[in-house]
Amino acid sequence: QLHLQESGPRLAKSSETLSLTCTVSGGSISITNFFWGWLRQPPGKGLEWIGSSHYGGSTYYNPSLESRGTISVDTSQNRFSLRLTSATAADTAVYYCARQSGVSGDLEHFDYWGLGTLVTVSS
Amino acid sequence: QSVLTQPPSVSAAPGQKVTISCSGSSSNIGNNFVSWYQHLSGTAPKLLIYDNNKRPSGIPDRFSGSKSGASATLAITGLQTGDEADYFCGTWDTSLSAAVFGAGTKVTVL
Repeated sequence: QLHLQESGPRLAKSSETLSLTCTVSGGSISITNFFWGWLRQPPGKGLEWIGSSHYGGSTYYNPSLESRGTISVDTSQNRFSLRLTSATAADTAVYYCARQSGVSGDLEHFDYWGLGTLVTVSS
Repeated sequence: QSVLTQPPSVSAAPGQKVTISCSGSSSNIGNNFVSWYQHLSGTAPKLLIYDNNKRPSGIPDRFSGSKSGASATLAITGLQTGDEADYFCGTWDTSLSAAVFGAGTKVTVL
């Protein structure tokens, strides 16, 4: 059974970079027809997709993030990471990592998720 | 404001049926597959339905999905107390070039 777990600072400073890591266990991150994604849910709001990356290098981001996000996959450690620059209070949210089915140009559903971690951005 | 529209809550007695609607547009539900997720407090979201109406291994057939035009529906039959959770729909939006979701529907078993 695949297991994903988010880790990283629970507090980020405004204008600085928010960083999280998702460790994958129970399966390889180097798998062809799957991407590795980040999503978030601000308090009282709906879920927002941040972006997804394939171990081969293809990466897709939500245009609403205005190029502030970077997702990288580390096959040697079987984990992937998120960096979100110029953080503001609006980035305060529960952040989830998840595996996304699909191929380049055709991203589909998310079949395994982490528990989520609350990150608060404050000055 | 979520791109996909879901009712905030639905409820029914044990053993009964509930349906949850998910409304979108031609740029999302109308031309892409819909998936449904169950989120119990304190646990990881779980995939219930993908490709409009397919169930992953281990998901009971009490859960079913359908799609018509720019709307999708999740049905839960034989409602159990363990089904109390938030349920949300998701799909790809071709115009936004992004995965989009509904705000979620809370299911209460009376």
